[in-house]
Amino acid sequence: SQKIEQNSEALNIQEGKTATLTCNYTNYSPAYLQWYRQDPGRGPVFLLLIRENEKEKRKERLKVTFDTTLKQSLFHITASQPADSATYLCAPLSFSGTYKYIFGTGTRLKVLA
Amino acid sequence: ETGVTQSPTHLIKTRGQQVTLRCSSQSGHNTVSWYQQALGQGPQFIFQYYREEENGRGNFPPRFSGLQFPNYSSELNVNALELDDSALYLCASGSLQGSSSGANVLTFGAGSRLTVL
Repeated sequence: SQKIEQNSEALNIQEGKTATLTCNYTNYSPAYLQWYRQDPGRGPVFLLLIRENEKEKRKERLKVTFDTTLKQSLFHITASQPADSATYLCAPLSFSGTYKYIFGTGTRLKVLA
Repeated sequence: ETGVTQSPTHLIKTRGQQVTLRCSSQSGHNTVSWYQQALGQGPQFIFQYYREEENGRGNFPPRFSGLQFPNYSSELNVNALELDDSALYLCASGSLQGSSSGANVLTFGAGSRLTVL
């Protein structure tokens, strides 16, 4: 079955450093992959979408890579700030008769001042 | 943009009861998806509606059903509630360019937290 793995343990990082979050998927080949941010008690908020023919996508301090051979996406936050503390969800697109985004369990990031 | 609004924000039900959750999609969007998120887990896909018809479903039993209305608002109905149905239920709207397009960015509501006792 289709499976998405994100680091279930929280990631603590010092302010100003680069945070790197990993998303691995198995048993399918998504044409698109999205990253979302979720704060406690709120719905996820869209951050970035990357297509299978794109190796890298950037938006301000955010960078996403997509390696279809390794079946992995990396999400980077450079010059991290305490306000970046949240859970980050990976969502590769799945197709089984219809398109749907399957979410990983998310990685909780805490940026320490 | 009006965003996605959900109601109620919190509710408590007992086992065996039925519940209806409501969602108002973002203006201009034509799809609505529902997700269940248990504590500490990622959102689990329940189903998606496009043009008032269900066009995708996750691994949820038939007692989970939904509707999408012509104004793109939506309802999620859950019958015969079980304790494990306690979760945050998220509604997400998006804009599909044709039913087969995959690049559908989702806008989520804040969710409805359901507790089943």
